[in-house]
Amino acid sequence: NAGVMQNPRHLVRRRGQEARLRCSPMKGHSHVYWYRQLPEEGLKFMVYLQKENIIDESGMPKERFSAEFPKEGPSILRIQQVVRGDSAAYFCASSTDYNSPLHFGNGTRLTVT
Amino acid sequence: GIQVEQSPPDLILQEGANSTLRCNFSDSVNNLQWFHQNPWGQLINLFYIPSGTKQNGRLSATTVATERYSLLYISSSQTTDSGVYFCAVERTSGTYKYIFGTGTRLKVLA
Repeated sequence: NAGVMQNPRHLVRRRGQEARLRCSPMKGHSHVYWYRQLPEEGLKFMVYLQKENIIDESGMPKERFSAEFPKEGPSILRIQQVVRGDSAAYFCASSTDYNSPLHFGNGTRLTVT
Repeated sequence: GIQVEQSPPDLILQEGANSTLRCNFSDSVNNLQWFHQNPWGQLINLFYIPSGTKQNGRLSATTVATERYSLLYISSSQTTDSGVYFCAVERTSGTYKYIFGTGTRLKVLA
């Protein structure tokens, strides 16, 4: 059973460009979470999605950031007009249901130059 | 929101030593997990432990939900145990998201 797949592993963008991060949950998992980790810091919750629904986006900046988890295909975290402060590791996790453990992908390291 | 504090923030051990890491949380929780983030940045599941005690090899964990803390025990530490240890909790009230603790950075010396 394949784990949570994130791509790309590394992404370099210039200021002002768009970044698209993809996450394919584990087979049978319908709940997806995105977290951001700044260098030398902990993981900060961004958004929690189920298929076609955003359940909780309280940790996501109001501007430039959006997330989706369509009926078919991976979950996408989109960052428009990136700035240097967006440089971080972005982790995706999935679970089968409420009250279930999280399983994490290996993350996408975003560098904004 | 819920506060999740871990102690100690940093820990240096000699190979073979034992250690106890603590996770305190400020509100009632449904679920709790322990993770190890290795030096390559990967997050490894250690325990899913809303309550009680579990053991896996040299590692064990105990959660006392009524007193709002969890402990992670590492025995006979090895250099491969180095990295950052996080606990993450899911509040009883809320939308089932997990909030991460501040982490304990462990370095095991050969």
